[in-house]
Amino acid sequence: QMHLVQSGPEVKKPGTSVKVSCKASGFTFSNSVVQWVRQARGQRLEWVGWIVIGSGQTNFAQKIQGRVTFTRDMSTNTASMELSSLRFEDTALYYCAARGDFSGSFDIWGQGTMVTVSS
Amino acid sequence: EIVLTQSPDTLSLSPGERVTLSCRASQSVTGRYLAWYQHKPGQAPRLLIYGASTRASGIPDRFSGSGSGTDFTLTVSRLEPEDFAVFYCQQYGNSPPTLGQGTKVEIK
Repeated sequence: QMHLVQSGPEVKKPGTSVKVSCKASGFTFSNSVVQWVRQARGQRLEWVGWIVIGSGQTNFAQKIQGRVTFTRDMSTNTASMELSSLRFEDTALYYCAARGDFSGSFDIWGQGTMVTVSS
Repeated sequence: EIVLTQSPDTLSLSPGERVTLSCRASQSVTGRYLAWYQHKPGQAPRLLIYGASTRASGIPDRFSGSGSGTDFTLTVSRLEPEDFAVFYCQQYGNSPPTLGQGTKVEIK
């Protein structure tokens, strides 16, 4: 079975950083692309960015560019997102999603990680 | 970046009805790289359609997608009680990928 398991909830102060991990199993991680999507309470889904696992190439939403870093560790099948200079408006549920072996798009989703920015 | 505008914002329907959701792009989507997701409260989004018209694995055939260029459609032929949710389109053929604002399909 294809799975993505994300790290647990985080509470951070403004100006600090947070790192969310996303561990893959059941599919060929090295051939995949992992995207990150977030949803603030009551709001729409918002695309954050993605990383091509094999090449490490990344792409970011313009709104968040410069504050977000994506990494991957193919030895542990884990993708990570680090968001720095946190703002109150970064409070959201963050999802990772991956493209499976036989899919043309993001068919495998993590359970979501709640990131709360609070003073 | 491509702006995706979904319409309508909300639909109130009964089980058994047919529904058609629209996703319009501000410029042509390369290669029909458009996906549809279903999102229910407390759950992760679920991929329904990719490549504009290909059903993802395990998705019932009452869900279908069509369109190209700037106009795309998701159709549910007969709504089942478990289908009520928010539906999003996403284009991933042009950089950066973008998501529509969502259409909520609620029970009448």
